[in-house]
Amino acid sequence: EAGVVQSPRYKIIEKKQPVAFWCNPISGHNTLYWYLQNLGQGPELLIRYENEEAVDDSQLPKDRFSAERLKGVDSTLKIQPAELGDSAVYLCASSLAGEGTEQFFGPGTRLTVL
Amino acid sequence: KQEVTQIPAALSVPEGENLVLNCSFTDSAIYNLQWFRQDPGKGLTSLLLIQSSQREQTSGRLNASLDKSSGRSTLYIAASQPGDSATYLCAVRPGTYKYIFGTGTRLKVLA
Repeated sequence: EAGVVQSPRYKIIEKKQPVAFWCNPISGHNTLYWYLQNLGQGPELLIRYENEEAVDDSQLPKDRFSAERLKGVDSTLKIQPAELGDSAVYLCASSLAGEGTEQFFGPGTRLTVL
Repeated sequence: KQEVTQIPAALSVPEGENLVLNCSFTDSAIYNLQWFRQDPGKGLTSLLLIQSSQREQTSGRLNASLDKSSGRSTLYIAASQPGDSATYLCAVRPGTYKYIFGTGTRLKVLA
């Protein structure tokens, strides 16, 4: 069974440019998460989706970050414009619906902003 | 506010040693706790998930324990191997869907 798929794996852009990350969760997983992981730190949740609804986006910097999951399956996270401090790994995870379910993570997208 | 701390931050051991990684959290009201492994440049691989009602979980050479009342969990790795070298992350779920992660323990097992 395929795991969580993310693309691209690596992205290098100049500051002020836009960038987008894509995630395809495990089939049948209704819940999808985007995490931000800075170097030497643990991941921090940016946004959580239940199907196509963003049910927790309290940590998403809405001035420059946006996300969508239009059909309740794959999701896109966008940054516009990117800043130097956005350099990090962006992880996507998915799980079955319901509390206590295990989260499965993708390989992440490593973003470098020059 | 829930905070998760992992000690030590880095650990280097010779092959074959048994070792213990520690995780502490400040709020005992958690739903579950999960241990992950992260290899350089890669995502997180789930190792063990302990529900709040459980005391421990085992998988192969790994054993994780949970003491909610004291806010502690340990990950025990038996007979360590060079392939165990990675960063190990502890994450707690404080009654919601969100995970709170520690900063990890970087483990290096020397051949």
